[in-house]
Amino acid sequence: GAGVSQTPSNKVTEKGKYVELRCDPISGHTALYWYRQSLGQGPEFLIYFQGTGAADDSGLPNDRFFAVRPEGSVSTLKIQRTERGDSAVYLCASSLYRGGTGELFFGEGSRLTVL
Amino acid sequence: KNEVEQSPQNLTAQEGEFITINCSYSVGISALHWLQQHPGGGIVSLFMLSSGKKKHGRLIATINIQEKHSSLHITASHPRDSAVYICAVSGTASKLTFGTGTRLQVTL
Repeated sequence: GAGVSQTPSNKVTEKGKYVELRCDPISGHTALYWYRQSLGQGPEFLIYFQGTGAADDSGLPNDRFFAVRPEGSVSTLKIQRTERGDSAVYLCASSLYRGGTGELFFGEGSRLTVL
Repeated sequence: KNEVEQSPQNLTAQEGEFITINCSYSVGISALHWLQQHPGGGIVSLFMLSSGKKKHGRLIATINIQEKHSSLHITASHPRDSAVYICAVSGTASKLTFGTGTRLQVTL
């Protein structure tokens, strides 16, 4: 596809369950970001990948959150033992250049609801 | 104090008005982004700038590095401009820090 693709677009799960959210960036984009956005708030940084490695994971709220990008393209955000407070829209963005110095392209987001 | 502050938080304007949204930041940056988010929609990049001024159609973005301040201007505003406008800065640590956004409503 031409843009950043995120799946699923909506996910409803029960407290305590495991969730995976997928981001397929624009082909060739080496920088990939995960954010989450709660209602009425601006996006909150979670993790930044440059290639396959997590260059900055300082935004992950706790060890229940983990993200991978094994081949430097698709990334998966994994949330263990989900809690109601994890409910948010999880956004992925990619960029051709590292360090936020390139134009950002966002996916439509994955809306996670934890019951 | 947040690293990125936007003002106003909410703005209502009549069609045709000139609109200014402000962004102030407190950290050293490599770039500043202006983003647009429509209700229920994804985020679209409007501008990325590190100095001076950029123009695209009715949108103009300026940045003053010394004063750590940027403005987004919309000329001849239209109801379709109604959206949340978000300022984000890229610091030396590469991650982006976002402002909380300015909700703009343009009425007929």
